[in-house]
Amino acid sequence: GAGVSQSPSNKVTEKGKDVELRCDPISGHTALYWYRQSLGQGLEFLIYFQGNSAPDKSGLPSDRFSAERTGGSVSTLTIQRTQQEDSAVYLCASSLRTGLNTEAFFGQGTRLTVV
Amino acid sequence: DAKTTQPPSMDCAEGRAANLPCNHSTISGNEYVYWYRQIHSQGPQYIIHGLKNNETNEMASLIITEDRKSSTLILPHATLRDTAVYYCIVTRYNTDKLIFGTGTRLQVFP
Repeated sequence: GAGVSQSPSNKVTEKGKDVELRCDPISGHTALYWYRQSLGQGLEFLIYFQGNSAPDKSGLPSDRFSAERTGGSVSTLTIQRTQQEDSAVYLCASSLRTGLNTEAFFGQGTRLTVV
Repeated sequence: DAKTTQPPSMDCAEGRAANLPCNHSTISGNEYVYWYRQIHSQGPQYIIHGLKNNETNEMASLIITEDRKSSTLILPHATLRDTAVYYCIVTRYNTDKLIFGTGTRLQVFP
């Protein structure tokens, strides 16, 4: 596709359930990022993938959060045992450069609501 | 990464220039200034970046002071579609992540 694609666009889940959020980056982009944005707040960095290097997981808020990137392309963010405070928009971005610089392209996000 | 300070909100009349300031007094010599914006309900969009020279592209101009401790993003002819939150970010080129602050909410009015 022409841009970063995220699915689903909206997800409502019950507290305690696991959820998976998907990101399809722009083809050929080696860097992939996940951010979280709570209502009315700024973007919170979660995790960064760059090629075959070990991911930078320094922003993951707890061990309930994990992410993987298969084949250097599609990424899945998994939240286990969801809590109400996990409700937010989860944004994925990809970049052609080594770092998230110059031209970082963001998807439209997945709005997660935990009830 | 260096911290930035931006006013929380600004207004601008449609057709006028919007000048968005950013202070980054602790910027290091190898750190760039980046600007992104986020229109309501959309993902952030890259606008422009610079090191020490002024930069211009089809979207905006970036003016960086000689001491690099502050910068101004200029939208020369603001339109209603420019209403958004504008983020000023300072980071090393090819570093591993962009840290977003709270930004400036720009409201363009008719």
